[in-house]
Amino acid sequence: GAVVSQHPSRVICKSGTSVKIECRSLDFQATTMFWYRQFPKQSLMLMATSNEGSKATYEQGVEKDKFLINHASLTLSTLTVTSAHPEDSSFYICSARVGTETQYFGPGTRLLVL
Amino acid sequence: AQSVTQLDSQVPVFEEAPVELRCNYSSSVSVYLFWYVQYPNQGLQLLLKYLSGSTLVKGINGFEAEFNKSQTSFHLRKPSVHISDTAEYFCAVTYTGTASKLTFGTGTRLQVTL
Repeated sequence: GAVVSQHPSRVICKSGTSVKIECRSLDFQATTMFWYRQFPKQSLMLMATSNEGSKATYEQGVEKDKFLINHASLTLSTLTVTSAHPEDSSFYICSARVGTETQYFGPGTRLLVL
Repeated sequence: AQSVTQLDSQVPVFEEAPVELRCNYSSSVSVYLFWYVQYPNQGLQLLLKYLSGSTLVKGINGFEAEFNKSQTSFHLRKPSVHISDTAEYFCAVTYTGTASKLTFGTGTRLQVTL
């Protein structure tokens, strides 16, 4: 149980284009999902908290207009990187909360912006 | 500020030897504690968690951890490691009043060799 999937697993795009990453809870409903970014050999940095049916809550320093988050259903949250640039290249990981404390993570999406 | 410290960035160990990965967190009245493992280019997998009750928690793959409130520690241990345990290990803490946000340590790279 508590399986989280992400799609795509890897994406390469040209600078200036937008990329959408999907995060799905496969066997449970998640009212709250989280989006993280991970730089090479570093820990995870929380970008935003995604709540079903309401606006996402962004962490300080994260541009909400650049990283659009939509949590339209209890099993799906999407992160759209708008007008991507090379500095947005990173490993993006989502998680879904089960109960009030435990987060289960997706396999991650490797984004490379050329 | 809330923080999680993993003092060892790398821990080399021989196969079948015991291992302990250290984790300390900044003091708080109430916390939930987690250990996650990350294999290369993958998301995080929950190893174990402490929410309440017995301070010794057992997780998957033969790992266990002990919550020590007085020392604000949650060290991860395994009595006999295997080559397949080679991975990055993250300690994470949820502090009360933070809407279940996880604060991650910087990670410990466990390198198991023959």
